Amino acid sequence: DTEVTQTPKHLVMGMTNKKSLKCEQHMGHRAMYWYKQKAKKPPELMFVYSYEKLSINESVPSRFSPECPNSSLLNLHLHALQPEDSALYLCASSPNPSGGSGNTIYFGEGSWLTVV
Amino acid sequence: GQSLEQPSEVTAVEGAIVQMNCTYQTSGFYGLSWYQQHDGGAPTFLSYNALDGLEETGRFSSFLSRSDSYGYLLLQELQMKDSASYFCAVNRDDKIIFGKGTRLHILP
Repeated sequence: DTEVTQTPKHLVMGMTNKKSLKCEQHMGHRAMYWYKQKAKKPPELMFVYSYEKLSINESVPSRFSPECPNSSLLNLHLHALQPEDSALYLCASSPNPSGGSGNTIYFGEGSWLTVV
Repeated sequence: GQSLEQPSEVTAVEGAIVQMNCTYQTSGFYGLSWYQQHDGGAPTFLSYNALDGLEETGRFSSFLSRSDSYGYLLLQELQMKDSASYFCAVNRDDKIIFGKGTRLHILP
């Protein structure tokens, strides 16, 4: 099983709504990531969790709140988003947090978020 | 800081060979990775270079030269399904940072 599963695949939310994106992996990976991707742009790193602890926050606005309930799950809580936050949100995982030894990351299919 | 530069678009003919370049300005990174992303899909891992030289995986090969701060991805026997965006990425600390990507167009 080399899958990273994300739900929902599509989400439309208003600027006053609270919603969550969910991500799950059962590969025993110890690092999990959230990336944001706009059309025709590369994935942009948001958060890194290493061994279930937040290790990197790339100066992401507080309206995005990550949570790692256990080693297999990663959530992204959304509140008071802006229309410019509309994007593809990609969850990913890798065997270990460090960059050595060909640390491949495995992406989920993403959640397409539209903020209206 | 760190930056990775890639040409925005490359066009090649089905059955041919294409090389997509990546130059970078970063130091202390573990290796250079390559990812493929089809429209509407997620990035998928293609290849990784920890050391200088060529890595070959089927029709895909990747090259790294740390002294030149340069790498490339080589695709042989191009197929229409290879039309996609290709990203180089550096593995540094706990981060994997992507270049801007090259859009590969394949002509029949």
